Amino acid sequence: GQNIDQPTEMTATEGAIVQINCTYQTSGFNGLFWYQQHAGEAPTFLSYNVLDGLEEKGRFSSFLSRSKGYSYLLLKELQMKDSASYLCAVRVNDYKLSFGAGTTVTVRA
Amino acid sequence: DVKVTQSSRYLVKRTGEKVFLECVQDMDHENMFWYRQDPGLGLRLIYFSYDVKMKEKGDIPEGYSVSREKKERFSLILESASTNQTSMYLCASSHIRLAESSYNEQFFGPGTRLTVL
Repeated sequence: GQNIDQPTEMTATEGAIVQINCTYQTSGFNGLFWYQQHAGEAPTFLSYNVLDGLEEKGRFSSFLSRSKGYSYLLLKELQMKDSASYLCAVRVNDYKLSFGAGTTVTVRA
Repeated sequence: DVKVTQSSRYLVKRTGEKVFLECVQDMDHENMFWYRQDPGLGLRLIYFSYDVKMKEKGDIPEGYSVSREKKERFSLILESASTNQTSMYLCASSHIRLAESSYNEQFFGPGTRLTVL
């Protein structure tokens, strides 16, 4: 089976930084995705890591360590619109993604 | 823009009814997927299809079937709906993966919230 763990909830203040951790133990690994999902909406793609290291995309960065089975998503200069669920997903083969349960981030003014 | 559309946003059915959920994508994607999303469990894969008329079971296929007669359309069928199938159903699509560095991210539809009474 697949095991992908991430915290259930996090709260942070507008303008701050939040780091969402994701650890995984899966039968295969072909890359790790982060998706953002606002309440009542579809998940949307944020980032993809297949090699170790940091990928930066504006205010969002994602890090991967394959040897440790670990990734994090870093959200900088938090804005109210960043309040959402963040989903960590591992591509376990050419087709299949296995998802964590998601982390709900609440940004307070 | 990539667009994945689902036939209904909200659906209420009775136990034992046959339910059809339709998904259409307009980006000529080879792969299509059906997930259900439940609180605390995340997205779980029900079925996927990598080509017309081809289908593969995901992690929780019991009680569901699928149909893919055209490349752009993927249908999820609940043969006899039960209360434990009350959930949010999400459809997704993606291109085939050609290289390790290829994103081939999945694009999701808005979801259908199904309630079975």
